[in-house]
Amino acid sequence: EDQVTQSPEALRLQEGESSSLNCSYTVSGLRGLFWYRQDPGKGPEFLFTLYSAGEEKEKERLKATLTKKESFLHITAPKPEDSATYLCAVHGHGSGNTGKLIFGQGTTLQVKP
Amino acid sequence: DSGVTQTPKHLITATGQRVTLRCSPRSGDLSVYWYQQSLDQGLQFLIQYYNGEERAKGNILERFSAQQFPDLHSELNLSSLELGDSALYFCASSVPRQGADTGELFFGEGSRLTVL
Repeated sequence: EDQVTQSPEALRLQEGESSSLNCSYTVSGLRGLFWYRQDPGKGPEFLFTLYSAGEEKEKERLKATLTKKESFLHITAPKPEDSATYLCAVHGHGSGNTGKLIFGQGTTLQVKP
Repeated sequence: DSGVTQTPKHLITATGQRVTLRCSPRSGDLSVYWYQQSLDQGLQFLIQYYNGEERAKGNILERFSAQQFPDLHSELNLSSLELGDSALYFCASSVPRQGADTGELFFGEGSRLTVL
């Protein structure tokens, strides 16, 4: 069964203090690993898709990387507006011909000014 | 704005009642997914429809049902509601009729259901 574990559950940073969020996954054949951002009371907002180990993607202060067992979301010099819950999800071959994503519990990031 | 529309945004009802949540996918998307998000469970996959037909089922209770209509909008019906059904219900869409399917899901803003 496909599984996603995110750590830490919560992270508090000072503005400008860089850090990384971890997403460990077990999946029967990875089709894609996805990062989403979710603000309180809102729907998840798509950030990145990674398809194979070694792949990296960047967007503003965020950079996502992928290995065969985990993905990292690096946040460089974060600002208060980066505060949100970051969700990791996988799409594996075990899902058959469906597109369903399996989500981790998320990491709630708070960036203080 | 993801392009996915969900109504109602908030719903308060009593135990034992039945409610219907509605979702309009992004224009051109063929697939609709329903997810439930509660504080202790995270985002849980409920069910997927593709072009009007059920494609996959997840942890969906028998009291819950869904359908996708010819115009591709979808409804999630929740009946005999219990206190534990209180949660955010998200609809997501994907698989454009034209263009590449890159796999990501686009989520609506959710319907917050409170069962008293």
